[in-house]
Amino acid sequence: EIVLTQSPATLSLSPGERATLSCTASQSISNYLAWYQQKPGQAPRLLIHDASNRAPGIPARFSGSGSGTDFTLTISSLEPEDFAVYYCQQRINWPPITFGQGTRLEI
Amino acid sequence: QVQLMQSGAVVKEPGSSVKVSCTASGGTFTDYAFSWVRQAPGQGLEWMGGILPIYNAAHYSQKFRDRVTITADESTSTAYMELKTLTSEDAATYYCARGGMAVAHWDFDLWGRGTLVTVSS
Repeated sequence: EIVLTQSPATLSLSPGERATLSCTASQSISNYLAWYQQKPGQAPRLLIHDASNRAPGIPARFSGSGSGTDFTLTISSLEPEDFAVYYCQQRINWPPITFGQGTRLEI
Repeated sequence: QVQLMQSGAVVKEPGSSVKVSCTASGGTFTDYAFSWVRQAPGQGLEWMGGILPIYNAAHYSQKFRDRVTITADESTSTAYMELKTLTSEDAATYYCARGGMAVAHWDFDLWGRGTLVTVSS
């Protein structure tokens, strides 16, 4: 089973700042990585798939990069609605599909 | 409007089973894969398994393989997840999630609102 490790666990920033979230895979997953955003009481929302492709309707301030074992989600300039929990997910080696433990982005 | 409608919250006794449904509206049901992802209170996301209705092929996480059954009914565009022998550790929100077409089958671009399963005697 591929383990995804996200860092940091919590990231404290202010609106307008740049956020950089990391996800490291226990073995190479090529670019088969997705990122999700989850707000309290809501289902997750797909932000990025295949490491760097924004899902429809996702603002351009969200970008993804990386391949192999190291991946990054960048939010270029934080908006108040961006404060949430972010998960990465891999699908190259399944079952099981696995998620990281999440990064909480807080003000 | 494209959406996944899940069945309502339930309370189950330890040792019993629960069956959650997920009805897809919009799109062609067999173009997609449907997965079940659960989230315990305050915890992260955990994939339980998924199904490709076009092949009627279900795939499971080893962790749940002995207790979970995922099925799909093309005639009603509904996917089901049944979990047996419930314990307090199964108390969670269970999400149905769809992949396929615009994304890979096992990425999830549409989610249901979740079904809260409470396990209590």
